[in-house]
Amino acid sequence: QSALTQPASVSGSLGQSITISCTGTSSDVGGYNLVSWYQQHPGKAPKLMIYEGSKRPSGVSSRFSGSKSGNTASLTISGLQADDEADYYCCSYAGSSTWVFGGGTNLTVL
Amino acid sequence: QVHLQESGPGLVKPSETLSLTCAVSGGSISTYYWSWIRQPPGKGLEWIGYISYTGTTNYNPSLKSRVTISLDTSKNQFSLKVTSVTAADTAVYYCATHYGSGFDPWGQGTLVTVSS
Repeated sequence: QSALTQPASVSGSLGQSITISCTGTSSDVGGYNLVSWYQQHPGKAPKLMIYEGSKRPSGVSSRFSGSKSGNTASLTISGLQADDEADYYCCSYAGSSTWVFGGGTNLTVL
Repeated sequence: QVHLQESGPGLVKPSETLSLTCAVSGGSISTYYWSWIRQPPGKGLEWIGYISYTGTTNYNPSLKSRVTISLDTSKNQFSLKVTSVTAADTAVYYCATHYGSGFDPWGQGTLVTVSS
């Protein structure tokens, strides 16, 4: 069970859109539509932003959206705001009742 | 709304056992699935394992030989034990509820340092 692969960092300007990728294998990301995404501000607990690939929990802005193609899931944030600056983690069900996280992506809002 | 709160020693000696508890309020522990997740300082998240409301458990294969998660329905809490700890087990430990395919909510986290 290896960690999912995410870019270490991404950046975007206020108001623009960015996409964070999360690459796994056919045993995790590609095998199930069970990817979730988390936002984590420094010193805080992670917050669920997307689950089951593209669903948003109540209270999460529609600026956040999720998708998947093959073994790669993606999180898109549109209309970037200053408060979006944080670390983002993907997570996938990996079969046999186990879960695996990505290494995390640091988002900088310029 | 379910609220989770971790508690336990902040310092554990190498080779000893790390023990943490997650107190659940605002909901019954006999309803959901519950996980432990950790984050070494400056690093990413690692899923440790889960326990269901029936007491069924499963663990990260990389930690399976050292980890035990248990349920205490009388106190509405669940616990984590990690044996034979080393400095590599130093991390912020979070408890979390399963929500769909994800985890929500999370506790605030508790830092456990392994050091003599």
